[in-house]
Amino acid sequence: DAKTTQPNSMESNEEEPVHLPCNHSTISGTDYIHWYRQLPSQGPEYVIHGLTSNVNNRMASLAIAEDRKSSTLILHRATLRDAAVYYCIGNTDKLIFGTGTRLQVFP
Amino acid sequence: ETGVTQSPTHLIKTRGQQVTLRCSSQSGHNTVSWYQQALGQGPQFIFQYYREEENGRGNFPPRFSGLQFPNYSSELNVNALELDDSALYLCASSVGWPSGRGYTQYFGPGTRLTVL
Repeated sequence: DAKTTQPNSMESNEEEPVHLPCNHSTISGTDYIHWYRQLPSQGPEYVIHGLTSNVNNRMASLAIAEDRKSSTLILHRATLRDAAVYYCIGNTDKLIFGTGTRLQVFP
Repeated sequence: ETGVTQSPTHLIKTRGQQVTLRCSSQSGHNTVSWYQQALGQGPQFIFQYYREEENGRGNFPPRFSGLQFPNYSSELNVNALELDDSALYLCASSVGWPSGRGYTQYFGPGTRLTVL
C-alpha cells in the first residue's frame, strides 16, 4: 500500500487560497490519488481524486506532479467551513488513511 | 437519494460483551467498507464487502466480523470487547470495487462505541 506523508497542520485566512501538499513516493502506476476531508464530528467526505492529470471540481483542484510522487490539493478561496482534517490517500483496493493535515481557517 | 446511515449513533458496552453495528449503504452501491477511528487518529480499515463477500481485511483480529446482506446493507460484529475497542466506527459505501480505481466512497456519520 502506498504510504503518504502530509504536514500535521496548516493555517489560512478566510478567502485566501490554500495549498495542501502530499508526498506519495511509493504509489503504483495504476493507483488513484484520493483526497477526503473530515469535518468535526462527521464522517470523512470525498473531495477529489485523480490519476495523472490535474483535476478540478466544485470543491477543489488537484495538481499531480508529473512523476506522481506528490500532489497538491488546492482550495481556491478558503472559508470557515473548510476547517477540517484533510487526508491524502493513494492505494488500490482499500483506503489507507494517515493522520492527515488539520487545516485551520481564520476570519 | 438517501445517503449512508448507521445505527446506533452511540453505544456503551462493558469489557467482554459483544456488539453489532449496522449500516445502510447508499442506493445503488454494492460495496461496503468498515473503519475504526480512535480519537485523534485517521480511520483504520477493518474490512470490505463486495456483493456479500468479504474481499479485503485490515490488521484486525477475528473477533471483528461482518456481514453484507442481499440489499447491500451491512453489519459489523465485535466479540469479547476490549477497552481499546472504544472508537468511532465508520461505514462507507461505493458503487464498485476496488476503491483505488477511482470509485468514490461515501461515509456515514459513524457509531461512537465506548467500552467500560
